[in-house]
This record gives sequence, structure tokens and C-alpha cells, in this order.
Amino acid sequence: EIVLTQSPGTLSLSPGERATLSCRASQSVSSSYLAWYQQKPGQAPRLLIYGASNRATGIPDRFTGSGSGTDFTLTISRLEPEDFAVYYCQQYGNSPIFTFGPGTKVDFK
Amino acid sequence: QVQLQESGPGLVKPSETLSLTCTVSGGSISNYYWSWIRQPPGKGLEWIGNIYYSGSTNYNPSLKSRVIISVDTSKNQFSLKLNSVTAADTAVYYCARGLTSLNVWGRGTLVTVSS
Repeated sequence: EIVLTQSPGTLSLSPGERATLSCRASQSVSSSYLAWYQQKPGQAPRLLIYGASNRATGIPDRFTGSGSGTDFTLTISRLEPEDFAVYYCQQYGNSPIFTFGPGTKVDFK
Repeated sequence: QVQLQESGPGLVKPSETLSLTCTVSGGSISNYYWSWIRQPPGKGLEWIGNIYYSGSTNYNPSLKSRVIISVDTSKNQFSLKLNSVTAADTAVYYCARGLTSLNVWGRGTLVTVSS
């Protein structure tokens, strides 16, 4: 089973700042099968990035995904007030087919 | 625009079976993979399993012995059954669409396991 680790657990920033979120896999993950989600309180997760670096429909270009192998990054170039949320990475592949990381919370400094 | 809606009892007794249905509207259930995911209060996401519209399934090994996912293409619905539930199965249950990533999600439904 591939285990995903996300860091930091919490990221305290101000609007306008840059956020860098890390997702590390216990084994190599195909870039085609790494995704990022945003979840706000009381809402379902929303797909942000698929295939490690492809923005989903309607996602602003301040969200950028990068990485390969076991190390992946989600960068938010300039935080908007609506970006304060929890972010999860997810891999598709070995059993279980889907695994999620534990999440990184981006909150107000 | 495709929308998903979970439905089912919000309260289930310990040792009984949790049953939920996801109704797909605004599009066809055909030609897609459909998943169930759950999230215990204040915790992270756990994938339960998925089903292709043709009926083939994949399950999380940690839950496989207790889970059945089925599809009814005539009703544009797919369903989850989780048996022998305990308090640890209390969670918000989501249905979602996608093969390698999940691009459409339902709003989720809270299921509490309690006597």
C-alpha cells in the first residue's frame, strides 16, 4: 500500500502570500495518477489538480501542481481569502486503488 | 452539469447494515467509474470502493469483507452497503465520479452509528 504524507500539517499565512504544500509518497507514483483537492468546512472536496500538474475545470491559475516520483508540490502563488481550507493529495494505483494524504490546513496567520 | 446526491438513513444501530444510494442527475451513469468515500468527523478522507457502470467493482482491502457496491443503470443510481457497523463507521459519506481522480462529488451525508 502506498502511504502519502503531507507537510506541514498546518500552514499559517496571510492573504497575498505564497503557499507551498508538500505531498510525499512511500513508493513512486505515476505523475498521471496524483491529484490535489481543496476542502472547506461543511463542503465536499473539490478537485484542483489532476495528473500532478493539470488544473481541473474552473481552477484559477494561481494554483500550480508539480513534482514526480515520490515528491509532489501544490503551490498557491498569492493566497486569496477563499483559499484558506484543507488540502489533500491523492494517488491512484496500487491496492487500495485510491489513497489520500492526511491533509494540510492553510489558515490565517 | 452532472450532480450527485447521497440518500439514506442518518442513524444506524451497531451491528446493523448501513445502506446509501447515490443518484446521478444531469448526465448518464454509463461509461464512468463511481466511488464511495467517507470522512469521520474532524478527520481525513478514506476511499471505500468504486464501481464501473457495467458492474465491476474494486474495494479498499481494509473494508472489503463488509462492503458491497452495486449499480442500477435504469435508475441512474449506485449504492453502498456496509454491514456489521460500529461507532468507528460514523462519518460523512460521499459519492463521487472518476477513474484516476474524482472530479464530481456529492454534498455528502452524515451517518451516525449509535443505539
